[in-house]
Amino acid sequence: KAGVTQTPRYLIKTRGQQVTLSCSPISGHRSVSWYQQTPGQGLQFLFEYFSETQRNKGNFPGRFSGRQFSNSRSEMNVSTLELGDSALYLCASSLVPSGRETQYFGPGTRLLVL
Amino acid sequence: AQSVTQPDIHITVSEGASLELRCNYSYGATPYLFWYVQSPGQGLQLLLKYFSGDTLVQGIKGFEAEFKRSQSSFNLRKPSVHWSDAAEYFCAVSSQAGTALIFGKGTTLSVSS
Repeated sequence: KAGVTQTPRYLIKTRGQQVTLSCSPISGHRSVSWYQQTPGQGLQFLFEYFSETQRNKGNFPGRFSGRQFSNSRSEMNVSTLELGDSALYLCASSLVPSGRETQYFGPGTRLLVL
Repeated sequence: AQSVTQPDIHITVSEGASLELRCNYSYGATPYLFWYVQSPGQGLQLLLKYFSGDTLVQGIKGFEAEFKRSQSSFNLRKPSVHWSDAAEYFCAVSSQAGTALIFGKGTTLSVSS
């Protein structure tokens, strides 16, 4: 079974631009979560989607948004990019949205904002 | 508020020596606890998890962890470290309510020959 895939793997943008990242979960997994990883703040939860609905959201500004499609694929969007948005963005999928479920992580998208 | 503390930022262990990585959590109810490993340029791989029951949990790659409620700890151990174990290790907690993982800052493991 294929793992979680994320595209693109690397991205360079300039301040003020917007960016869209994509995540395809493991087949059959319906819950998708997004995390931001930076050297200073570590791994931080962004949001979680299940059945095309956002179930949970972390403490990030409204510039960060996401959505989930009927096939469980998810996208996250960051508008008006800031230098501090440079990070590794990780997507994770699980069968259902439960704390007991193992989350399987993709390789991440590394975003550099210049 | 929920939090996870990994007191050691960086640990160096000789190949073949034993390893213990510390993790302390702060959480009101019984937490769900996880250890993940991240190799350079890679995503996170689950090593093991604890939900309930036996407090000694076995994972992949020869790792184990022990849940100690009285100490709010979930330390990761391995009896004999291999050079391929060099990576960054993250302890995380989630709740019954949802899947949002709260991670510690991570411990970088270096293995010397």
